[in-house]
Amino acid sequence: GQQVMQIPQYQHVQEGEDFTTYCNSSTTLSNIQWYKQRPGGHPVFLIQLVKSGEVKKQKRLTFQFGEAKKNSSLHITATQTTDVGTYFCADNTDKLIFGTGTRLQVFP
Amino acid sequence: NAGVTQTPKFQVLKTGQSMTLQCAQDMNHEYMSWYRQDPGMGLRLIHYSVGAGITDQGEVPNGYNVSRSTTEDFPLRLLSAAPSQTSVYFCASSPLREGKLFFGSGTQLSVL
Repeated sequence: GQQVMQIPQYQHVQEGEDFTTYCNSSTTLSNIQWYKQRPGGHPVFLIQLVKSGEVKKQKRLTFQFGEAKKNSSLHITATQTTDVGTYFCADNTDKLIFGTGTRLQVFP
Repeated sequence: NAGVTQTPKFQVLKTGQSMTLQCAQDMNHEYMSWYRQDPGMGLRLIHYSVGAGITDQGEVPNGYNVSRSTTEDFPLRLLSAAPSQTSVYFCASSPLREGKLFFGSGTQLSVL
Protein backbone atom coordinates (compact mmCIF):
# COMPACT_ATOMS: atom_id res chain seq x y z
CA GLY A 1 0.00 0.00 0.00
CA GLN A 2 0.92 3.65 -0.10
CA GLN A 3 3.50 4.67 2.44
CA VAL A 4 5.72 7.70 2.65
CA MET A 5 8.53 8.10 5.14
CA GLN A 6 9.46 11.58 6.22
CA ILE A 7 12.70 12.63 7.92
CA PRO A 8 13.74 14.07 10.23
CA GLN A 9 10.96 13.83 12.78
CA TYR A 10 12.14 16.98 14.57
CA GLN A 11 14.48 19.80 13.69
CA HIS A 12 15.56 22.68 15.88
CA VAL A 13 17.39 25.53 14.15
CA GLN A 14 18.64 28.98 14.99
CA GLU A 15 16.83 31.75 13.16
CA GLY A 16 18.64 32.39 9.89
CA GLU A 17 19.79 28.80 9.42
CA ASP A 18 18.50 26.64 6.60
CA PHE A 19 16.15 23.69 7.00
CA THR A 20 15.34 20.68 4.85
CA THR A 21 12.80 17.89 5.21
CA TYR A 22 12.76 14.79 3.06
CA CYS A 23 9.96 12.53 1.90
CA ASN A 24 10.72 9.04 0.57
CA SER A 25 8.60 6.30 -0.99
CA SER A 26 9.41 2.74 -2.03
CA THR A 27 7.01 3.08 -4.95
CA THR A 28 6.71 5.62 -7.73
CA LEU A 29 4.55 8.55 -6.79
CA SER A 30 1.97 10.00 -9.14
CA ASN A 31 2.25 13.41 -7.56
CA ILE A 32 3.06 14.81 -4.15
CA GLN A 33 1.65 17.62 -2.07
CA TRP A 34 3.18 19.59 0.79
CA TYR A 35 1.30 21.09 3.74
CA LYS A 36 2.22 23.22 6.74
CA GLN A 37 0.50 23.00 10.11
CA ARG A 38 1.12 25.72 12.67
CA PRO A 39 0.95 24.68 16.36
CA GLY A 40 -2.70 24.30 17.34
CA GLY A 41 -3.85 24.83 13.76
CA HIS A 42 -4.93 22.81 10.78
CA PRO A 43 -2.86 21.75 7.78
CA VAL A 44 -2.62 24.33 5.00
CA PHE A 45 -1.73 23.41 1.44
CA LEU A 46 1.62 24.72 0.17
CA ILE A 47 2.23 23.14 -3.23
CA GLN A 48 1.76 20.15 -5.52
CA LEU A 49 4.54 18.59 -7.60
CA VAL A 50 3.67 16.43 -10.59
CA LYS A 51 6.60 16.17 -12.99
CA SER A 52 9.79 14.18 -12.60
CA GLY A 53 12.65 16.45 -11.48
CA GLU A 54 10.28 19.37 -10.90
CA VAL A 55 11.55 22.27 -8.80
CA LYS A 56 9.22 24.99 -7.53
CA LYS A 57 9.97 28.00 -5.37
CA GLN A 58 7.81 30.07 -3.07
CA LYS A 59 9.88 32.93 -1.68
CA ARG A 60 12.32 31.19 0.74
CA LEU A 61 10.80 27.73 0.20
CA THR A 62 12.12 25.39 -2.50
CA PHE A 63 10.30 22.16 -3.34
CA GLN A 64 11.83 19.33 -5.37
CA PHE A 65 10.44 16.14 -6.87
CA GLY A 66 13.00 13.42 -7.54
CA GLU A 67 13.86 12.24 -11.02
CA ALA A 68 12.48 8.79 -10.26
CA LYS A 69 9.41 10.31 -8.55
CA LYS A 70 10.16 8.34 -5.38
CA ASN A 71 11.28 11.21 -3.20
CA SER A 72 10.70 14.88 -2.57
CA SER A 73 12.17 17.60 -0.42
CA LEU A 74 11.27 20.96 1.04
CA HIS A 75 14.10 23.39 1.74
CA ILE A 76 13.68 26.64 3.66
CA THR A 77 16.43 29.23 3.29
CA ALA A 78 17.22 31.51 6.24
CA THR A 79 14.47 30.35 8.56
CA GLN A 80 12.32 32.82 10.46
CA THR A 81 10.24 32.32 13.60
CA THR A 82 7.14 32.39 11.39
CA ASP A 83 8.33 29.12 9.81
CA VAL A 84 7.63 27.22 13.04
CA GLY A 85 5.25 24.32 12.54
CA THR A 86 5.00 20.80 11.19
CA TYR A 87 5.58 20.17 7.50
CA PHE A 88 3.88 17.21 5.86
CA CYS A 89 4.29 15.62 2.49
CA ALA A 90 1.33 13.70 1.09
CA ASP A 91 1.29 10.99 -1.56
CA ASN A 92 -1.55 11.62 -3.97
CA THR A 93 -1.09 8.50 -6.10
CA ASP A 94 -4.36 6.83 -5.08
CA LYS A 95 -5.72 8.18 -1.82
CA LEU A 96 -4.09 11.22 -0.24
CA ILE A 97 -1.79 9.61 2.33
CA PHE A 98 0.29 11.83 4.59
CA GLY A 99 3.82 11.34 5.81
CA THR A 100 4.50 11.52 9.54
CA GLY A 101 5.68 15.11 9.30
CA THR A 102 8.74 17.10 10.35
CA ARG A 103 8.30 19.43 13.28
CA LEU A 104 10.39 22.58 12.91
CA GLN A 105 11.31 24.76 15.86
CA VAL A 106 13.12 28.03 15.22
CA PHE A 107 14.99 29.77 18.03
CA PRO A 108 15.39 33.55 17.76
CA ASN B 1 -17.65 31.48 2.17
CA ALA B 2 -17.15 29.77 5.50
CA GLY B 3 -15.02 27.00 3.90
CA VAL B 4 -15.00 23.74 5.86
CA THR B 5 -16.87 23.85 9.17
CA GLN B 6 -16.46 21.19 11.83
CA THR B 7 -18.52 20.82 14.98
CA PRO B 8 -18.02 20.39 17.85
CA LYS B 9 -14.52 21.76 18.51
CA PHE B 10 -14.13 19.70 21.68
CA GLN B 11 -15.88 16.59 22.93
CA VAL B 12 -15.46 14.23 25.86
CA LEU B 13 -17.08 10.81 25.68
CA LYS B 14 -17.28 7.80 27.92
CA THR B 15 -16.26 4.42 26.56
CA GLY B 16 -19.16 2.86 24.67
CA GLN B 17 -20.96 6.10 23.88
CA SER B 18 -21.79 7.01 20.32
CA MET B 19 -21.56 10.37 18.64
CA THR B 20 -21.38 12.10 15.27
CA LEU B 21 -18.74 14.61 14.24
CA GLN B 22 -20.22 17.07 11.78
CA CYS B 23 -18.48 18.44 8.70
CA ALA B 24 -19.94 20.84 6.18
CA GLN B 25 -18.40 22.72 3.25
CA ASP B 26 -19.90 25.52 1.18
CA MET B 27 -17.46 25.40 -1.74
CA ASN B 28 -19.37 22.78 -3.77
CA HIS B 29 -16.43 20.39 -3.49
CA GLU B 30 -16.99 16.85 -4.71
CA TYR B 31 -14.23 15.26 -2.64
CA MET B 32 -14.39 15.09 1.16
CA SER B 33 -12.37 13.14 3.67
CA TRP B 34 -11.77 12.52 7.36
CA TYR B 35 -8.34 12.25 9.03
CA ARG B 36 -7.27 11.61 12.57
CA GLN B 37 -4.07 13.06 13.97
CA ASP B 38 -2.16 11.47 16.81
CA PRO B 39 1.24 12.57 18.17
CA GLY B 40 4.05 11.13 16.07
CA MET B 41 1.62 9.46 13.66
CA GLY B 42 0.89 12.27 11.26
CA LEU B 43 -2.54 12.40 9.62
CA ARG B 44 -4.20 9.09 8.90
CA LEU B 45 -7.08 8.78 6.46
CA ILE B 46 -10.24 7.28 7.95
CA HIS B 47 -12.85 7.52 5.17
CA TYR B 48 -13.33 9.56 2.05
CA SER B 49 -16.01 10.37 -0.51
CA VAL B 50 -15.68 11.34 -4.16
CA GLY B 51 -19.26 12.57 -4.39
CA ALA B 52 -22.75 12.34 -2.93
CA GLY B 53 -23.75 8.73 -2.36
CA ILE B 54 -20.19 7.40 -2.67
CA THR B 55 -17.88 6.60 0.24
CA ASP B 56 -14.78 4.47 0.64
CA GLN B 57 -12.38 3.35 3.34
CA GLY B 58 -9.05 4.91 4.10
CA GLU B 59 -6.13 3.63 6.16
CA VAL B 60 -7.88 3.31 9.53
CA PRO B 61 -11.65 2.87 8.99
CA ASN B 62 -12.47 0.44 11.83
CA GLY B 63 -14.84 1.86 14.43
CA TYR B 64 -16.06 4.66 12.18
CA ASN B 65 -18.97 5.06 9.77
CA VAL B 66 -19.64 7.76 7.21
CA SER B 67 -22.37 8.71 4.77
CA ARG B 68 -22.64 11.35 2.05
CA SER B 69 -26.25 12.16 1.32
CA THR B 70 -25.48 15.68 0.06
CA THR B 71 -22.48 17.36 -1.54
CA GLU B 72 -22.14 19.71 1.43
CA ASP B 73 -22.16 17.34 4.40
CA PHE B 74 -19.91 14.44 5.42
CA PRO B 75 -20.57 13.33 9.02
CA LEU B 76 -18.32 10.86 10.84
CA ARG B 77 -20.01 8.47 13.27
CA LEU B 78 -18.40 6.67 16.18
CA LEU B 79 -20.72 3.80 17.02
CA SER B 80 -19.13 2.73 20.32
CA ALA B 81 -16.30 5.01 21.40
CA ALA B 82 -13.05 3.51 22.68
CA PRO B 83 -10.08 5.20 24.40
CA SER B 84 -7.99 4.40 21.30
CA GLN B 85 -10.19 6.85 19.40
CA THR B 86 -8.93 9.76 21.48
CA SER B 87 -7.46 12.02 18.84
CA VAL B 88 -7.84 15.22 16.86
CA TYR B 89 -10.14 14.75 13.88
CA PHE B 90 -9.89 16.83 10.72
CA CYS B 91 -12.37 17.01 7.90
CA ALA B 92 -11.11 18.19 4.51
CA SER B 93 -12.55 18.86 1.08
CA SER B 94 -11.27 19.38 -2.44
CA PRO B 95 -12.85 20.22 -5.78
CA LEU B 96 -11.21 17.12 -7.24
CA ARG B 97 -9.79 13.94 -5.74
CA GLU B 98 -6.37 15.03 -7.01
CA GLY B 99 -6.70 18.62 -5.85
CA LYS B 100 -5.43 20.45 -2.81
CA LEU B 101 -7.26 19.85 0.43
CA PHE B 102 -9.00 22.54 2.43
CA PHE B 103 -9.12 21.54 6.09
CA GLY B 104 -11.56 22.36 8.84
CA SER B 105 -10.28 23.59 12.20
CA GLY B 106 -10.55 20.15 13.80
CA THR B 107 -12.39 18.38 16.63
CA GLN B 108 -10.46 17.36 19.73
CA LEU B 109 -12.05 14.16 21.04
CA SER B 110 -11.27 12.48 24.35
CA VAL B 111 -12.70 9.08 25.21
CA LEU B 112 -12.47 8.16 28.89
